[in-house]
Amino acid sequence: DQQVKQNSPSLSVQEGRISILNCDYTNSMFDYFLWYKKYPAEGPTFLISISSIKDKNEDGRFTVFLNKSAKHLSLHIVPSQPGDSAVYFCAALKDTGRRALTFGSGTRLQVQP
Amino acid sequence: EAGVVQSPRYKIIEKKQPVAFWCNPISGHNTLYWYLQNLGQGPELLIRYENEEAVDDSQLPKDRFSAERLKGVDSTLKIQPAELGDSAVYLCASSSGQGKETQYFGPGTRLLVL
Repeated sequence: DQQVKQNSPSLSVQEGRISILNCDYTNSMFDYFLWYKKYPAEGPTFLISISSIKDKNEDGRFTVFLNKSAKHLSLHIVPSQPGDSAVYFCAALKDTGRRALTFGSGTRLQVQP
Repeated sequence: EAGVVQSPRYKIIEKKQPVAFWCNPISGHNTLYWYLQNLGQGPELLIRYENEEAVDDSQLPKDRFSAERLKGVDSTLKIQPAELGDSAVYLCASSSGQGKETQYFGPGTRLLVL
């Protein structure tokens, strides 16, 4: 049972435009969400996070939106740059119990120059 | 500040052979995680340590996998004997252990079992 889903395996956008990566979750016990970026042959790098008590968190070109009622979050990158090309993983965490990150399967973003 | 260090970066072995991976977490991080990442999927937790105690090893296949973190700092993950299906990337992560803390990942060890 996949509790965190990233239904788009890939996304291609033009440099300078907005990239929107989506993530859905099924477990209402998740209360903290993170986005990681992964380049080939490297480990995932933390990008941005959001607590369930918020609906938006912004850090420079990156903004994460959380819609708890829809169990949906999205990552917006504006403007997109070629260096943003990577695989993006959505992850969710429960503050109780296992405290292990539950990851989605990732979305490969390609930003075209 | 140094990040999470893992070695080796790559390992090729024949099935039924043993293999070991090493991880040194970020200095001061009490919590250490080992994750398994199969191709095209997100990482999945194998084991979590709080200092030297394994507090969650429910997903670790204990018939062939073992792990240790003897002094509460660096850790070793072992597979004996390795099977073809163990080919994957083994990621180590660490965090400060302060509630909803961010987990920081090492570069991983890519294992190929022939």
